[in-house]
Amino acid sequence: GAVVSQHPSWVICKSGTSVKIECRSLDFQATTMFWYRQFPKQSLMLMATSNEGSKATYEQGVEKDKFLINHASLTLSTLTVTSAHPEDSSFYICSAKTGRTEAFFGQGTRLTVV
Amino acid sequence: AQSVAQPEDQVNVAEGNPLTVKCTYSVSGNPYLFWYVQYPNRGLQFLLKYITGDNLVKGSYGFEAEFNKSQTSFHLKKPSALVSDSALYFCAHTGFQKLVFGTGTRLLVSP
Repeated sequence: GAVVSQHPSWVICKSGTSVKIECRSLDFQATTMFWYRQFPKQSLMLMATSNEGSKATYEQGVEKDKFLINHASLTLSTLTVTSAHPEDSSFYICSAKTGRTEAFFGQGTRLTVV
Repeated sequence: AQSVAQPEDQVNVAEGNPLTVKCTYSVSGNPYLFWYVQYPNRGLQFLLKYITGDNLVKGSYGFEAEFNKSQTSFHLKKPSALVSDSALYFCAHTGFQKLVFGTGTRLLVSP
């Protein structure tokens, strides 16, 4: 299947700093990328949907100024957690798809804010 | 609202026995249904999908799922479970864009 690479796998940052997470589709062009957040022992919560070259669509309750999403090309989307706080600590997962095909997921990023 | 439901938080099965992880859907029109598996601290891996065609869909790692329109179900099955199948399983559906997940079912396969 198609490969989606997410980087970094884990990151620890100080409260108040910003962290950028990258999501790349390695062998296909992704018209749409998604960002999810997963709390321990829970399902994935969709944060936003991004289409290449346009602004991301955020789900209700997700602060767009805090979670900045950029989808600059058909193979790269980034999520920047700005002014991170301990409550932002979570597992973040990206996925990518083209049309109605199945989505392929990155390996996830464990963010810990101290 | 269009959704999928996984009624079981956890399924326990002994190695070698058949397993079933349940999923029901509430989707208007033709449903596009998926199963994914998640191992600890990892992203999701695609197992199989139903778009159209045969109701029995075969996927990765020996898994299969049966689409049942009358029961609005898409249960995941495997004839003989392995300890290594222990993981978190998600049923999902999609419209043109969003992939919407069920709450997940933890499968524990005991030796």
